[in-house]
Amino acid sequence: NAGVTQTPKFQVLKTGQSMTLQCAQDMNHNSMYWYRQDPGMGLRLIYYSASEGTTDKGEVPNGYNVSRLNKREFSLRLESAAPSQTSVYFCASSAQENTGELFFGEGSRLTVL
Amino acid sequence: GESVGLHLPTLSVQEGDNSIINCAYSNSASDYFIWYKQESGKGPQFIIDIRSNMDKRQGQRVTVLLNKTVKHLSLQIAATQPGDSAVYFCAVFNDYKLSFGAGTTVTVRA
Repeated sequence: NAGVTQTPKFQVLKTGQSMTLQCAQDMNHNSMYWYRQDPGMGLRLIYYSASEGTTDKGEVPNGYNVSRLNKREFSLRLESAAPSQTSVYFCASSAQENTGELFFGEGSRLTVL
Repeated sequence: GESVGLHLPTLSVQEGDNSIINCAYSNSASDYFIWYKQESGKGPQFIIDIRSNMDKRQGQRVTVLLNKTVKHLSLQIAATQPGDSAVYFCAVFNDYKLSFGAGTTVTVRA
């Protein structure tokens, strides 16, 4: 039981390049989330998916898109990376949308030059 | 939206002593609060939660206290151990979303 798996763990991009962060969970959870973590700012919600087939914007969605491919997988795409998107990205899942008990992956560290 | 703040960004504690981490929130309608622990290089891990119909909840070596009058939340760790060294976040759950505070870094001195 791996929990929440994110790939890649590290990535360096040039400004304007695109990339997709992948996330998969094997806990049969309904809800999935993407957060970014910046120094001194805690975690901020980018997008979430309450259930398969639905996605909604969080606090900081600009510059990102998401796809809930199936119940297991929730990807985050940067179409044209900017230095302001340098951050650590965390994917999380929860059994249902009305719980605050989230299970997080180990993070993906992204640097945009 | 919800604003969640911590009183101290860092806390240094002697091994064996008790730790107290404080947090304040802004939305008086908030009714569900959670504490997370994040070790270096890892994702946050759920510790304990509390609903607004409770003032106190205890787990294994941890206690969460909620004061709704002053919109204050605290996490107490009993007999702090080296493995407790981490960043601790309080979070408020509203509208199916978690809002996190900035985190308190706890360092345990041997």
